Amino acid sequence: GEDVEQSLFLSVREGDSSVINCTYTDSSSTYLYWYKQEPGAGLQLLTYIFSNMDMKQDQRLTVLLNKKDKHLSLRIADTQTGDSAIYFCAESGDNYGQNFVFGPGTRLSVLP
Amino acid sequence: ETGVTQTPRHLVMGMTNKKSLKCEQHLGHNAMYWYKQSAKKPLELMFVYNFKEQTENNSVPSRFSPECPNSSHLFLHLHTLQPEDSALYLCASSSQGGTEAFFGQGTRLTVV
Repeated sequence: GEDVEQSLFLSVREGDSSVINCTYTDSSSTYLYWYKQEPGAGLQLLTYIFSNMDMKQDQRLTVLLNKKDKHLSLRIADTQTGDSAIYFCAESGDNYGQNFVFGPGTRLSVLP
Repeated sequence: ETGVTQTPRHLVMGMTNKKSLKCEQHLGHNAMYWYKQSAKKPLELMFVYNFKEQTENNSVPSRFSPECPNSSHLFLHLHTLQPEDSALYLCASSSQGGTEAFFGQGTRLTVV
């Protein structure tokens, strides 16, 4: 079945850039997503990219997609303490039913 | 606030109890989902409903029983749970052909 992998932890200093990486196995993925989960909260969609795109930028967030290697990354510029959270990579390849497959999440810790 | 509301936010129940989790969305979405999030595993898709019909049941034990009376409401009925069922249960919704899933805040369930 489909699988999504992420490293579990990442620590960066405030003001630095964070890069969170994700790999997936489903070559028919249509959309790839980054969700953010803050303590005690549900998942919040940060951004998504359509599989025919290589890059998407949204303010401090840059998403890069290497479809050949099935690799997705999320770069957060000028990381702030408020960015500390768990970041989930997800993919959906089924347009009907929207069967999202999530990675295990990367816990980002921002150090002062 | 994502437009998906889950109640209760926290629930403690004994193994012989029967309780229900509720999810409500008024976003006009026609697909709704139950996910389980625990410390040991990444987000696990439990059930998917499309237009009130169950289209996915990911080998979930029968002690979890979903109900979707209409496209705005989704329930998860719980009975004779085990301590290992303690987790965060997240509800999500999306539109058919939509590009993202909207998540509720989750119900933190503790089985004692």
